[in-house]
Amino acid sequence: NAGVTQTPKFQVLKTGQSMTLQCAQDMNHEYMSWYRQDPGMGLRLIHYSVGAGITDQGEVPNGYNVSRSTTEDFPLRLLSAAPSQTSVYFCASSYSSRVAEAFFGQGTRLTVV
Amino acid sequence: GENVEQHPSTLSVQEGDSAVIKCTYSDSASNYFPWYKQELGKGPQLIIDIRSNVGEKKDQRIAVTLNKTAKHFSLHITETQPEDSAVYFCAASMSGQGGKLIFGQGTELSVKP
Repeated sequence: NAGVTQTPKFQVLKTGQSMTLQCAQDMNHEYMSWYRQDPGMGLRLIHYSVGAGITDQGEVPNGYNVSRSTTEDFPLRLLSAAPSQTSVYFCASSYSSRVAEAFFGQGTRLTVV
Repeated sequence: GENVEQHPSTLSVQEGDSAVIKCTYSDSASNYFPWYKQELGKGPQLIIDIRSNVGEKKDQRIAVTLNKTAKHFSLHITETQPEDSAVYFCAASMSGQGGKLIFGQGTELSVKP
């Protein structure tokens, strides 16, 4: 099992560009989520999904879109990147919304210039 | 919504000493409290967790205590070793919201040999 796989590991974008951060899990987990990590602020929830076809907003959803067409994949889209979106992004998955142990990917370090 | 405060932000101890990290939460409905360890360049990894029907849980050199009345929980690491050096995060979640975790700001622990 690979666990939670995120691609790319590093990315530099220009302001206004769009991109998709990929996340895939091979554990048949029902619950997937995206967090961003900024210095001194811990990890903040961006969007989450309780199953294929179902997504909802977290603490800091503005500027990000998600969709969940399969159990395995949960991509995060930045439609028009801004310097404030410079951060490290982590994808996580849990077996279900009732079993809370979350497994994290290795992260994507995104810089917007 | 839930808010989690974590202290201290940095902690330096000598090898063999104990380390204590404290968190408080705001929402009395939260009932799941995990602790994550994050090593440099990696994603957070669960090290121990506690549910609200338990006051204390131990796993070898690490323990977590929970005081529901005061809405605070703590991580205790005994006999610290240099490999314990990392950033530690506490989090809170509610039953039925699985991996929808609200994180504290993180504590950078440094264990000096």
